[in-house]
Amino acid sequence: DTGVSQDPRHKITKRGQNVTFRCDPISEHNRLYWYRQTLGQGPEFLTYFQNEAQLEKSRLLSDRFSAERPKGSFSTLEIQRTEQGDSAMYLCASSLGAEGFYGYTFGSGTRLTVV
Amino acid sequence: AQSVAQPEDQVNVAEGNPLTVKCTYSVSGNPYLFWYVQYPNRGLQFLLKYITGDNLVKGSYGFEAEFNKSQTSFHLKKPSALVSDSALYFCAVRDRDTGFQKLVFGTGTRLLVSP
Repeated sequence: DTGVSQDPRHKITKRGQNVTFRCDPISEHNRLYWYRQTLGQGPEFLTYFQNEAQLEKSRLLSDRFSAERPKGSFSTLEIQRTEQGDSAMYLCASSLGAEGFYGYTFGSGTRLTVV
Repeated sequence: AQSVAQPEDQVNVAEGNPLTVKCTYSVSGNPYLFWYVQYPNRGLQFLLKYITGDNLVKGSYGFEAEFNKSQTSFHLKKPSALVSDSALYFCAVRDRDTGFQKLVFGTGTRLLVSP
């Protein structure tokens, strides 16, 4: 396990459908983050887990978005009733340490296209 | 609130010349600062971080950055640019004193190194 894995790499879905993405962090990392990146912008924070507890949520995370990390290992991000504005790259990151001292390791992302 | 400004959308430099990519930040407390690089259709790769200690931080691939608290800056530098350094560079900040875990990213600077 050498990095953060995200699946799928690409997802094309029709507007109104539900989609789910998976993130597998570095195994010893207890902290997991989801970010969203749209074209021409930097990543924007969505949510943060410490072990299985979701401790921070952005206002960007509307009611249609839900994230889980049931056993403190992998995480899923679900988007219900997708809209065209949800089209973006969804990035997962993980880190170790009480203060994120070791930095954040990002996965390659899941690119979502809503048509 | 935290914020990051990357004032240049693009930086052009000839191979072999020194490069600088600018970043200024705003936090209410003390910052953790990061530089990441992104290649097309890929996630973010960590370059370097400032946590505490020496203001000059050395990172991957010959890059370095200088933390300047009075100017609230964290500019990325490299003494001699390579064509392979051409990519999108993001500066990010986290407020060390709030306890919040999220990183706030700038909008990115595209570095173009010409042969």
